[in-house]
Amino acid sequence: RKEVEQDPGPFNVPEGATVAFNCTYSNSASQSFFWYRQDCRKEPKLLMSVYSSGNEDGRFTAQLNRASQYISLLIRDSKLSDSATYLCVVNKGRGSQGNLIFGKGTKLSVKP
Amino acid sequence: EPEVTQTPSHQVTQMGQEVILRCVPISNHLYFYWYRQILGQKVEFLVSFYNNEISEKSEIFDDQFSVERPDGSNFTLKIRSTKLEDSAMYFCASSVSVGANYGYTFGSGTRLTVV
Repeated sequence: RKEVEQDPGPFNVPEGATVAFNCTYSNSASQSFFWYRQDCRKEPKLLMSVYSSGNEDGRFTAQLNRASQYISLLIRDSKLSDSATYLCVVNKGRGSQGNLIFGKGTKLSVKP
Repeated sequence: EPEVTQTPSHQVTQMGQEVILRCVPISNHLYFYWYRQILGQKVEFLVSFYNNEISEKSEIFDDQFSVERPDGSNFTLKIRSTKLEDSAMYFCASSVSVGANYGYTFGSGTRLTVV
């Protein structure tokens, strides 16, 4: 099983659509979970941390299920500017907080 | 918004040459990292650095790689004898602390091309 697995997409959606991304991770010792976005040939940018209780930031909602080792990201009311690759990121484990394991990413394309 | 600054943005080097990639982390951050991304592949951890020493490194970070914080602001990655497979985007990152409550901020990267 890959350390962090994501559907590569691409997801092609119209503006205003709701889109959901899923991610699974293999290491039950992982403690920190994030969604980053990456534009083509740019650096990853933190979108949001993911907490066990679930958390929301504007149009973005993240969920974590530790038992299933599953993370999700929901984007509501998609904008053209949301077009990017979304990276699911977890830390390697206890004592390895700075060692982040990245998924390959899910590409989102929002069309007018 | 504070930024992690990396120079140069693009470096072309001959195989076997030494390269030094430079980074200026965010000023109040205490933890520093290097990651790399080979074109079309995922971002990979290389090394983390705290309190003037390496705290963790990956299998990629072999004897050809070294890091240094020569002064209070710069953080460098040196590759002693570059190989073709070292061609990648190298990202520096920093964080004020570690864990989900703290964002890891990435620089805009140095694209290293080994010819």
